[in-house]
Amino acid sequence: DVKVTQSSRYLVKRTGEKVFLECVQDMDHENMFWYRQDPGLGLRLIYFSYDVKMKEKGDIPEGYSVSREKKERFSLILESASTNQTSMYLCASISGETYEQYFGPGTRLTVT
Amino acid sequence: TQLLEQSPQFLSIQEGENLTVYCNSSSVFSSLQWYRQEPGEGPVLLVTVVTGGEVKKLKRLTFQFGDARKDSSLHITAAQPGDTGLYLCAGIDNYGQNFVFGPGTRLSVLP
Repeated sequence: DVKVTQSSRYLVKRTGEKVFLECVQDMDHENMFWYRQDPGLGLRLIYFSYDVKMKEKGDIPEGYSVSREKKERFSLILESASTNQTSMYLCASISGETYEQYFGPGTRLTVT
Repeated sequence: TQLLEQSPQFLSIQEGENLTVYCNSSSVFSSLQWYRQEPGEGPVLLVTVVTGGEVKKLKRLTFQFGDARKDSSLHITAAQPGDTGLYLCAGIDNYGQNFVFGPGTRLSVLP
């Protein structure tokens, strides 16, 4: 049974704090994505990675960075959290053969 | 920039009714996926359609990919409360590197 886990389901942080969101997959996939989901806007791609230590900017990378030190782990970093980064963050691991995306349960982040 | 539109945005129906939701774009996709997302959870893949005109059935759900591979529809027969959720379509480009999600259709099936 494929599995993508995210470090926290709910997180509350203060403005200016550094925030780490971790995602781990057990499917040996090379491709991993980070999205944020906001009402009416759908899923927007923040960053993605096609290999260890490799990262590419998505559609909305400003204010975020990522780290992929190991194949199974893809971390999203908010360098200095702001209130407009309050959102649902979803990590996905993608099959290189079928392009099916396997999502984690999401982290609902609130920045106050 | 590839964009996907979904309609309707919201749909509330009674148990037992039939419904169709749509996913449209001006762009051609190599394949298209449908996901269902329940509140507080991540999306779960329902189906991938690859060939223009393709029809796939998953129990009471019927998915169709448009002949030109620019649009898709999802038809649910005899909807049940368990079908409640956000239905997302996602288009994939020819290289399998770019995924575009639509904004979703939020379906509520009332008992």
